[in-house]
Amino acid sequence: DAKTTQPNSMESNEEEPVHLPCNHSTISGTDYIHWYRQLPSQGPEYVIHGLTSNVNNRMASLAIAEDRKSSTLILHRATLRDAAVYYCIPQGAGNNRKLIWGLGTSLAVNP
Amino acid sequence: GAGVSQSPSNKVTEKGKDVELRCDPISGHTALYWYRQSLGQGLEFLIYFQGNSAPDKSGLPSDRFSAERTGGSVSTLTIQRTQQEDSAVYLCASSAMGTSTDTQYFGPGTRLTVL
Repeated sequence: DAKTTQPNSMESNEEEPVHLPCNHSTISGTDYIHWYRQLPSQGPEYVIHGLTSNVNNRMASLAIAEDRKSSTLILHRATLRDAAVYYCIPQGAGNNRKLIWGLGTSLAVNP
Repeated sequence: GAGVSQSPSNKVTEKGKDVELRCDPISGHTALYWYRQSLGQGLEFLIYFQGNSAPDKSGLPSDRFSAERTGGSVSTLTIQRTQQEDSAVYLCASSAMGTSTDTQYFGPGTRLTVL
């Protein structure tokens, strides 16, 4: 099972960009890299996912290293509502479904 | 359409009692997951259902835990003879097909407190 390493916590100011790193050096070649976030007292919600190429959506961008051993979630302009715990999850299919969720990165956003 | 729902939202029980937690996934989703989250911790995988395949029970912590999914839809997680260490938020998620690109949609969770 692929294991991830993320910083325990990060801090940002409102309206500034935030780069959240994740190391997943044991990721399988067919695993996608998913990012979720968990707001206080809520279940996790999907943010973005990718395989090899960088990805953008309305919430964030995902930059994936060429060797796929790490990735970075980019919030272009942090808002107070972005304060949450962010998880990166290597996700496979079929029998490889025992998804390993680490402790994630707790992001604080200062006004 | 409706998202994933779970019931009850909160459950307080006494040590040794059995509890049942219910999950209603998004209609049409073939994959269903149960996780638990202890205070200040990440999510711990419990069990995974995919269509008619045998469930992946590899995350269940003991034989006091069991889960079933009836008719490929609603799922029930049962904890027998509850212990204080079972206190946690139990989260259910569903996804369309269980593929590597699937998005998991989570319910609000059931907060279980064992006294």
